[in-house]
Amino acid sequence: GESVGLHLPTLSVQEGDNSIINCAYSNSASDYFIWYKQESGKGPQFIIDIRSNMDKRQGQRVTVLLNKTVKHLSLQIAATQPGDSAVYFCAENIGGSQGNLIFGKGTKLSVKP
Amino acid sequence: DAGVIQSPRHEVTEMGQEVTLRCKPISGHNSLFWYRQTMMRGLELLIYFNNNVPIDDSGMPEDRFSAKMPNASFSTLKIQPSEPRDSAVYFCASRRTGNTGELFFGEGSRLTVL
Repeated sequence: GESVGLHLPTLSVQEGDNSIINCAYSNSASDYFIWYKQESGKGPQFIIDIRSNMDKRQGQRVTVLLNKTVKHLSLQIAATQPGDSAVYFCAENIGGSQGNLIFGKGTKLSVKP
Repeated sequence: DAGVIQSPRHEVTEMGQEVTLRCKPISGHNSLFWYRQTMMRGLELLIYFNNNVPIDDSGMPEDRFSAKMPNASFSTLKIQPSEPRDSAVYFCASRRTGNTGELFFGEGSRLTVL
């Protein structure tokens, strides 16, 4: 899920299918991770988070998986809907409760009706 | 409760002019972040404050950029003089200090420098 140059990775799925968006993070000391969704013309919105002492967390239609061994994060969206079309960012928290969030470059999800 | 409020939403200015972007964080949130978003570089952290004190400004591109937080309910990001390469969407975000919880983002200020 990391971008190269001007082009965001794009994932195109059929409505009703499941989507998996991947992200590689950089810092093995990161203790907290968040997935954000950004629709066109809007600010990023929180989807789901996970702490580093967990490897899986489920929300409504979304699941986040964390593999600290390979520094990999994924977001699974069940039964993808047209309203899920957006750019999805993973973010890692560096520096504990006084720290800041560092964002990945994003993946564009396109849902075909 | 109102979310993070940014102004202006859109600004078009000419190279060399001063630009001031404004942010009102969510009441009770005492960490504030300024991000810049471009297609080339994605979301970049410029600076963040805890309890009105700048903690890390290493992301500020150069001396033309400055940020202040005179009180808990207001912050500004200033660019003087502005250049075309500063064109981007600038986001402000806030959260409660001591909570590694989610950042709440404003709707952004889209800056175009001609």
